[in-house]
Amino acid sequence: GAGVSQTPSNKVTEKGKYVELRCDPISGHTALYWYRQSLGQGPEFLIYFQGTGAADDSGLPNDRFFAVRPEGSVSTLKIQRTERGDSAVYLCASSPNRGRETQYFGPGTRLLVL
Amino acid sequence: DAKTTQPTSMDCAEGRAANLPCNHSTISGNEYVYWYRQIHSQGPQYIIHGLKNNETNEMASLIITEDRKSSTLILPHATLRDTAVYYCIVRGPGRDDKIIFGKGTRLHILP
Repeated sequence: GAGVSQTPSNKVTEKGKYVELRCDPISGHTALYWYRQSLGQGPEFLIYFQGTGAADDSGLPNDRFFAVRPEGSVSTLKIQRTERGDSAVYLCASSPNRGRETQYFGPGTRLLVL
Repeated sequence: DAKTTQPTSMDCAEGRAANLPCNHSTISGNEYVYWYRQIHSQGPQYIIHGLKNNETNEMASLIITEDRKSSTLILPHATLRDTAVYYCIVRGPGRDDKIIFGKGTRLHILP
């Protein structure tokens, strides 16, 4: 079956611009996660949705970052006033429910802020 | 979640067993050991997890010591496609559902 998909696969933007990154989870998965991965580092947690609500947004670095999941499936990560330090791979994962269940990751969106 | 310690990198000859160690000396009784791997330019991929018994699936085996302070992931017959970064993660059953990744072990399979 289809896995987690993310669009775009690559995004180049200029400092100060607004970007949106999209995640399509596996159908039926209620839990959705966003992570960010800088070069040479492991992924870092950003935010976790259970259904439509953000159950844990403790990883969002500041108020320029925001994510939504209005219908409990597709999620959008929004970054305002992008900075060069936001350049990274943004990964999305989904799992059937919550807790220790396996998370299935998408291929990521590579964001480059010039 | 407990912290894990892994070697930065390892080499293994193709066709041999790759044994990847992980220390998690502060693991608590209800925390599980998970392994994920990340092949270049892809998202992390789940491999296996366990609590205290050894586990085996089609990808790998997980050996957890009796005191649960360390574990070893075994890829029985490594191939070039197993070249990746391998992450050992400890996760509890509590409300924190996020995965906390370290830097992992970069495994190079040599032809």
